[in-house]
Amino acid sequence: SQTIHQWPATLVQPVGSPLSLECTVEGTSNPNLYWYRQAAGRGLQLLFYSIGIDQISSEVPQNLSASRPQDRQFILSSKKLLLSDSGFYLCAWTGNIFAEAFFGQGTRLTVV
Amino acid sequence: GENVEQHPSTLSVQEGDSAVIKCTYSDSASNYFPWYKQELGKGPQLIIDIRSNVGEKKDQRIAVTLNKTAKHFSLHITETQPEDSAVYFCAAPEGSARQLTFGSGTQLTVLP
Repeated sequence: SQTIHQWPATLVQPVGSPLSLECTVEGTSNPNLYWYRQAAGRGLQLLFYSIGIDQISSEVPQNLSASRPQDRQFILSSKKLLLSDSGFYLCAWTGNIFAEAFFGQGTRLTVV
Repeated sequence: GENVEQHPSTLSVQEGDSAVIKCTYSDSASNYFPWYKQELGKGPQLIIDIRSNVGEKKDQRIAVTLNKTAKHFSLHITETQPEDSAVYFCAAPEGSARQLTFGSGTQLTVLP
């Protein structure tokens, strides 16, 4: 069966520090991968999506970047965090049939 | 691209009553409509979905109805329980793509 792992679960970082959030998927190949953010605890804002290794699309201009060094690994990064980067970050993947999406458990990022 | 609108944004019901959440979509080529439940501090979990070749699907206390002509679909929860309290999201794919567009979410509160 397929599983998605996302870590860390919580993170407190000072303004100006770097960020690296990692997401891996097991049990499937060539997934579509996504990073979402929930700033207000409600809506899902799509940040990045990837259809393959080194194929990243950015939905919203921002202080963040994403990379996909391996087929089932998706990394969200920042060189210098801003206070406005605080939020709940979710990784997700979809397979080949009907766009059914599976989410990780999320990372609560607090920038102080 | 796809545009999904979800109503209401908040919904409070008494335990045992029914709850209905409605979504509309814009892309007539969409053929898959999932609903997700997100509990506090966790990632969204798929609870039910419907394909475009059926008008209704039921799973115990939850059901989803689809009206392709009007381009709207609804989530129905009967005999609500306190553990049904959560944020619910509807979604629709970008046509034949594997990417989902999410509604803005509904905070459901079941009052004991």
